Amino acid sequence: EDKVVQSPLSLVVHEGDTVTLNCSYEVTNFRSLLWYKQEKKAPTFLFMLTSSGIEKKSGRLSSILDKKELSSILNITATQTGDSAIYLCAALRGTNAGKSTFGDGTTLTVKP
Amino acid sequence: NAGVTQTPKFRILKIGQSMTLQCTQDMNHNYMYWYRQDPGMGLKLIYYSVGAGITDKGEVPNGYNVSRSTTEDFPLRLELAAPSQTSVYFCASLSYNSPLHFGNGTRLTVT
Repeated sequence: EDKVVQSPLSLVVHEGDTVTLNCSYEVTNFRSLLWYKQEKKAPTFLFMLTSSGIEKKSGRLSSILDKKELSSILNITATQTGDSAIYLCAALRGTNAGKSTFGDGTTLTVKP
Repeated sequence: NAGVTQTPKFRILKIGQSMTLQCTQDMNHNYMYWYRQDPGMGLKLIYYSVGAGITDKGEVPNGYNVSRSTTEDFPLRLELAAPSQTSVYFCASLSYNSPLHFGNGTRLTVT
């Protein structure tokens, strides 16, 4: 059975701190690892990682995949209160069903 | 560009009632999915479809049914609603090698 585990489950930091969120996966026919940010409504897409060791960056957010360790990290530098959200990690299968298995998420709270 | 549209946004059902959650996408995606999200949890896959006329069960299919008569539409049917089905439901679609596109969700309460 496919499994995705995120840690920590919740995190409270102050503005300006740097945070690292972790995601590990055990997925049959793994294709890609995806990160999403969820505030009040639907998850919004952050990164899609398919190749190991190649960092993807978007502003203060960056992420990298380690296929040997079956894991990924999401880094947020200089956190702001607007970064407060649930961060979801999902592993996408490479079959034609394209099924994604989600972790339970990390709830990040950034205090002023 | 509408993307994935879900209706209704909110619904309250009594135990034993039935309803259909509607989902439509205008991106010509073959793959469509229904997820549920309980408080403090990630998304659990209920049903998915790889194309019109083809559906399959996900992790938590009991109490639900789906159909996929067209590429655009993927309705989710709840028969005999139970309190355990109180959740937020997300419909999503994708094409190969792209991230999931989500609808805005339906918040369902069964009392």
